[in-house]
Amino acid sequence: DVKVTQSSRYLVKRTGEKVFLECVQDMDHENMFWYRQDPGLGLRLIYFSYDVKMKEKGDIPEGYSVSREKKERFSLILESASTNQTSMYLCASSPLPRSNQPQHFGDGTRLSIL
Amino acid sequence: SQQGEEDPQALSIQEGENATMNCSYKTSINNLQWYRQNSGRGLVHLILIRSNEREKHSGRLRVTLDTSKKSSSLLITASRAADTASYFCATAPNTDKLIFGTGTRLQVFP
Repeated sequence: DVKVTQSSRYLVKRTGEKVFLECVQDMDHENMFWYRQDPGLGLRLIYFSYDVKMKEKGDIPEGYSVSREKKERFSLILESASTNQTSMYLCASSPLPRSNQPQHFGDGTRLSIL
Repeated sequence: SQQGEEDPQALSIQEGENATMNCSYKTSINNLQWYRQNSGRGLVHLILIRSNEREKHSGRLRVTLDTSKKSSSLLITASRAADTASYFCATAPNTDKLIFGTGTRLQVFP
């Protein structure tokens, strides 16, 4: 079974801090995704990556950046955390081809920015 | 903007009853997928139906797709308390990403 592991289930940070959320998958998937999930808004795509060192903006990239130095690891970075970034963050991976494959999700990181 | 919209937003039923959730979308798609999310957990893929398919089954799940109406439905038969979760549809239009709806919260009472 595919396993997508997010480094923290719960995280509390302060406004202005630089925050790193880590995600690792063990199935050699090419595609990795970061979403945020908010009540009433569903899942919104922040960034995604098709290969090492490649990244593409999703629907809501502002205030975020990503890093993919190794195929199995995809990091989400909040450059200067703000209270409106309090949310549930979900990482997912999928194999090629790009858009048609089911995505495998981690259990999420519930991030609170105080 | 949201591609998929689920209906109803919330559904409460008794064990043994069937649960039907609907999804409407706006643009043409390659496939449509249904996911389940237990409270506080990640999403789990349930079933994928391609644009040239009309119906698909997996265990107690039955999915239909009507591309002319741009809609899909997920039927869970003989529901169990363990089916309590949120259910999301996700559409794969001719781009590089899935677009998720806002979900249906299903509560199954013992």
